[in-house]
Amino acid sequence: SQQGEEDPQALSIQEGENATMNCSYKTSINNLQWYRQNSGRGLVHLILIRSNEREKHSGRLRVTLDTSKKSSSLLITASRAADTASYFCATKTSYDKVIFGPGTSLSVIP
Amino acid sequence: DVKVTQSSRYLVKRTGEKVFLECVQDMDHENMFWYRQDPGLGLRLIYFSYDVKMKEKGDIPEGYSVSREKKERFSLILESASTNQTSMYLCASSFIFGQGGTEAFFGQGTRLTVV
Repeated sequence: SQQGEEDPQALSIQEGENATMNCSYKTSINNLQWYRQNSGRGLVHLILIRSNEREKHSGRLRVTLDTSKKSSSLLITASRAADTASYFCATKTSYDKVIFGPGTSLSVIP
Repeated sequence: DVKVTQSSRYLVKRTGEKVFLECVQDMDHENMFWYRQDPGLGLRLIYFSYDVKMKEKGDIPEGYSVSREKKERFSLILESASTNQTSMYLCASSFIFGQGGTEAFFGQGTRLTVV
């Protein structure tokens, strides 16, 4: 069964708009990470938030974590066409397993 | 820079062949992982290892085995390749770091086609 589930599965927005993706998970975690993957390319780590953190920023990225709801959100502000990619959340459990969700496909239209 | 290197970017194998996918990391990471990625299913964990000669099954270990004889190398073995194992295979590594941990680093992936 999937530990992380992203929502929505696909998202299409205009350049300049904000994009929000959500991730829910099932078991307790040590940290939660977000990755992006361009079509046909490898995974790129974006940001990591630890279980005792509630919010983290990195450039145009903002990540929140609500451990009581077992959910996280990734906000990309002022989106660009180059942000078009698939975005995955990954949770690292206390057993050191890193489990990925199925991903959100983001299309940013110029 | 951390490097996680997978031995092949593309492989084509015949049904029934024994297939070895190799992964090497140069960051002295304890943890190493093998995933497969399929459209609409995202990443699924096959096996992982948290130390030399140690291994643990992930979500979909059937039809696969692994070998970790050295800390830097983690091999994924398809004992008898089948067409439903056609997929993108990704290797990753990370430190063991108690509460919090660190991010995982990924290789570029091996696209395996079984014909």
